[in-house]
Amino acid sequence: DSGVTQTPKHLITATGQRVTLRCSPRSGDLSVYWYQQSLDQGLQFLIQYYNGEERAKGNILERFSAQQFPDLHSELNLSSLELGDSALYFCASSATSDSADTQYFGPGTRLTVL
Amino acid sequence: GNSVTQMEGPVTLSEEAFLTINCTYTATGYPSLFWYVQYPGEGLQLLLKATKADDKGSNKGFEATYRKETTSFHLEKGSVQVSDSAVYFCALRVPQKLVFGQGTRLTINP
Repeated sequence: DSGVTQTPKHLITATGQRVTLRCSPRSGDLSVYWYQQSLDQGLQFLIQYYNGEERAKGNILERFSAQQFPDLHSELNLSSLELGDSALYFCASSATSDSADTQYFGPGTRLTVL
Repeated sequence: GNSVTQMEGPVTLSEEAFLTINCTYTATGYPSLFWYVQYPGEGLQLLLKATKADDKGSNKGFEATYRKETTSFHLEKGSVQVSDSAVYFCALRVPQKLVFGQGTRLTINP
């Protein structure tokens, strides 16, 4: 158990809908990262927050957004869903933004868009 | 840019065989390097890491050495077990994110 929690574990929805994925980092960690794992793209970095502020963006679509709240939990919002958004979404956390810091991953949320 | 290349899978071995999974990287500067493992139906777990050249990371019988001259971080284990069956990801850390290889699926037969 990494100490990172994600809810829900599974999500099934229809095209055009909007969903919210939630992540709670390990106790004391200030950085939260979101990754998408799909069969065709592999593991891709989406976005990072550090202590409530956006720190870096990766291959995140404009239909997707995220935020980190004062209690440090984070939410990833996916809207106007398409079939291709079906994937496993991971949250990770680390103590700081330092490049030597280990990122600890949650169990993931499996999103299925029908 | 930054990228990681892993050996193509899947890899199938017999129990107690020697394992090598090759990983090479391209990066500016000297990134930290990681191996993560994903067991069926689970998230990613950190297996080992190395933060500078010639560092050796080790855990659960697995080892990998950060080789700057060959830009490699190959994963090795002397005697694999059925419980090692999983997908293994090599990754490098650039300031704000991890860049992953495509993953290598390992199956160990009894």
